Amino acid sequence: ELKVEQNPLFLSMQEGKNYTIYCNYSTTSDRLYWYRQDPGKSLESLFVLLSNGAVKQEGRLMASLDTKARLSTLHITAAVHDLSATYFCAVDSFAGQDKIIFGKGTRLHILP
Amino acid sequence: ETGVTQTPRHLVMGMTNKKSLKCEQHLGHNAMYWYKQSAKKPLELMFVYNFKEQTENNSVPSRFSPECPNSSHLFLHLHTLQPEDSALYLCASSQRPGRGTDTQYFGPGTRLTVL
Repeated sequence: ELKVEQNPLFLSMQEGKNYTIYCNYSTTSDRLYWYRQDPGKSLESLFVLLSNGAVKQEGRLMASLDTKARLSTLHITAAVHDLSATYFCAVDSFAGQDKIIFGKGTRLHILP
Repeated sequence: ETGVTQTPRHLVMGMTNKKSLKCEQHLGHNAMYWYKQSAKKPLELMFVYNFKEQTENNSVPSRFSPECPNSSHLFLHLHTLQPEDSALYLCASSQRPGRGTDTQYFGPGTRLTVL
């Protein structure tokens, strides 16, 4: 059974700092997604990573995928308050089933 | 309307009530999903529909009954719910069915409270 673990689950950081959120998963998969959720809002797709070594960047966020290590990272550069949200990674179950498994989410709070 | 819409946005119901949640996607997608998001658990997939056919039922109690009359509409019928069913119910859609390979686009959710 595929399990997806994120850490940290809570993160409070100062504006201008850099930090990384980690997403580990337990079985083989080559498709990983990152989503953002603002309080009281729905999930918004950030990145889709489809192969080993994939790296995608959008503004101050950069996501990467290492399928051999079963690890994805979401790196935040020079954080700004607007990036405060909960970030979820999700992994394709890769078992002939039509579903992806979500991590518990990382609640990110950026202090001005 | 664009994207994925859900109604109602908020719902309060008693345990003996029957209600329905509605989801509509305006993206031309072929797959639709129901998720449950509660405070203490990760986002939980409930049901998956591909081309109107149910392909996943993730051990959901029978008090939740989905209906997908066409690829654009998805319903979740609720009856005799329990207080622990209180949660945010999210609908999503994606372009292609099979392995959940495409990005899923989420609706705003229905905040359900069961008294």
